[in-house]
Amino acid sequence: ETGVTQSPTHLIKTRGQQVTLRCSSQSGHNTVSWYQQALGQGPQFIFQYYREEENGRGNFPPRFSGLQFPNYSSELNVNALELDDSALYLCASSLRQLTEAFFGQGTRLTVV
Amino acid sequence: AQRVTQPEKLLSVFKGAPVELKCNYSYSGSPELFWYVQYSRQRLQLLLRHISRESIKGFTADLNKGETSFHLKKPFAQEEDSAMYYCALSAQGGGADGLTFGKGTHLIIQP
Repeated sequence: ETGVTQSPTHLIKTRGQQVTLRCSSQSGHNTVSWYQQALGQGPQFIFQYYREEENGRGNFPPRFSGLQFPNYSSELNVNALELDDSALYLCASSLRQLTEAFFGQGTRLTVV
Repeated sequence: AQRVTQPEKLLSVFKGAPVELKCNYSYSGSPELFWYVQYSRQRLQLLLRHISRESIKGFTADLNKGETSFHLKKPFAQEEDSAMYYCALSAQGGGADGLTFGKGTHLIIQP
């Protein structure tokens, strides 16, 4: 059984650019959630995907979007990057009927 | 909207002393509460959840709905307990609203 893996581990982008982060969920998990963790803060919920559809969203603007694929892996896309988007982005997978989330190691995004 | 508050950013105790990490929440419904832990250079992982009522690594946490608290306790701290601890709340079954996290408490166990 493999855990949640995220790529890349680090990324530097320029303000205004677009970025795609990737996540492979834990084997057997059909739900993926994304979180943003700014320095010194707890993770903040961005959105959740279940069976390839977004079924929950936190307080993030539409320029944060995502996809989930048939193998339950997922992407987080952020358009028109802003300096405040600099953060650690965490992916978590879980089973739909359970709420225990297993987290990846995160992608550190720096916007300059 | 739900909120989780961890009043202590940093907590330092000596090995063998009791530990209590505070967590308070605000939510109008019946929440599910969790404690997550992040050891140095490791990923965030679940420590315990209130519905299981387990003791994990000597830690326990009781949900007090009257005080809207879910404090994490351990009677005798060990050096390997040093880590970042996050209290989290799930607002509805299935977790479609995701987890709402507190800002975390950095626990340092001194030898």
